[in-house]
Amino acid sequence: DAKTTQPNSMESNEEEPVHLPCNHSTISGTDYIHWYRQLPSQGPEYVIHGLTSNVNNRMASLAIAEDRKSSTLILHRATLRDAAVYYCILRDETSGTYKYIFGTGTRLKVLA
Amino acid sequence: DSGVTQTPKHLITATGQRVTLRCSPRSGDLSVYWYQQSLDQGLQFLIQYYNGEERAKGNILERFSAQQFPDLHSELNLSSLELGDSALYFCASSGPTGRTEAFFGQGTRLTVV
Repeated sequence: DAKTTQPNSMESNEEEPVHLPCNHSTISGTDYIHWYRQLPSQGPEYVIHGLTSNVNNRMASLAIAEDRKSSTLILHRATLRDAAVYYCILRDETSGTYKYIFGTGTRLKVLA
Repeated sequence: DSGVTQTPKHLITATGQRVTLRCSPRSGDLSVYWYQQSLDQGLQFLIQYYNGEERAKGNILERFSAQQFPDLHSELNLSSLELGDSALYFCASSGPTGRTEAFFGQGTRLTVV
């Protein structure tokens, strides 16, 4: 399974944009980039995913580098409810298993 | 609400005992995944089932087993429990392809005393 590297922790001020980076230099052509977050005492929650092009949804945007070796999750206006551990995961479309292997993630702290 | 239901929410049991955790996936999802999350470790992938068949295995101990039934619900059986098995156990379900997202339940908190 291809691995991802994320900073252990980040801080942001409330109502400011947050850019959460993820490196995945060994990504293969069939790996989808998925982002999940885990709020305290809850199960992980889907945020966004993409393959090659940048993606937007109501929660966030995903910017994928042209060589796909890195990506950035963008929260446009952080709120206190966005404080969570954010996981960047590669998911192989062709393996037939599609299992998620979680790394240590980035703990995001949002300051009021 | 993710649509994935896990029961029970909390479980306290003694060492050496056996417990069964249950997971009902979202309607229509064929894949079920089990994860263990301890305080000192992250989310550890245990096992995946797809439409009743085991599809992938992770760091699952031999004392642990799982199955997925014809109605697609899944059970994780933990036996000969040890103190170190105390953890949150999450179940997730997803659609049939890798490009679909997974939805996680709220977890079962197992405490072994």
